[in-house]
Amino acid sequence: QQQVKQSPQSLIVQKGGISIINCAYENTAFDYFPWYQQFPGKGPALLIAIRPDVSEKKEGRFTISFNKSAKQFSLHIMDSQPGDSATYFCAASKGGFKTIFGAGTRLFVKA
Amino acid sequence: DAGVIQSPRHEVTEMGQEVTLRCKPISGHDYLFWYRQTMMRGLELLIYFNNNVPIDDSGMPEDRFSAKMPNASFSTLKIQPSEPRDSAVYFCASSLGGRIYNEQFFGPGTRLTVL
Repeated sequence: QQQVKQSPQSLIVQKGGISIINCAYENTAFDYFPWYQQFPGKGPALLIAIRPDVSEKKEGRFTISFNKSAKQFSLHIMDSQPGDSATYFCAASKGGFKTIFGAGTRLFVKA
Repeated sequence: DAGVIQSPRHEVTEMGQEVTLRCKPISGHDYLFWYRQTMMRGLELLIYFNNNVPIDDSGMPEDRFSAKMPNASFSTLKIQPSEPRDSAVYFCASSLGGRIYNEQFFGPGTRLTVL
């Protein structure tokens, strides 16, 4: 019940395309859903986050879509760029502290 | 702002040796987290502190692992004795509580190799 399932494991997208990463959770007590971006040799960094009282949040080219009834959420990266090539982690937590991470998606954007 | 500082960045040791990883959180942050990242298990929360007090250590794999936070600006993660399966990247993160979005700021990590 503590798991966060993330797919796909890896993703190759053409420059300018849309990257979509999906996550699902079980624990309905989770109330904070962040996405982290990690470049090789670096620690993860917060990209965007959402609470379950909204269905969508957009920041620049990055959008989280949230479906509370299905217990699913996804990250959309519009106009994907080579600089977006990184590993993306979805996560879930209660109160933003004890955070459970998905397995990660390796995104490669082809120039 | 220097961000979260971790040392050493790389550590190579032999099985059975004691390993100590160090972390300096962002000044003013009252939460500190230790994570372990491996290919097999992904990013796992080991333990977290609030105001220097351990809140949840349920992710600590076994008694060989211990963590302390003697003051607001320093924390250690100790493995004694170390084993090859402890090889991983260990991250420290800190955050400021009492906010709507409790963003965790990660350090650069310590890559541990146990031979």
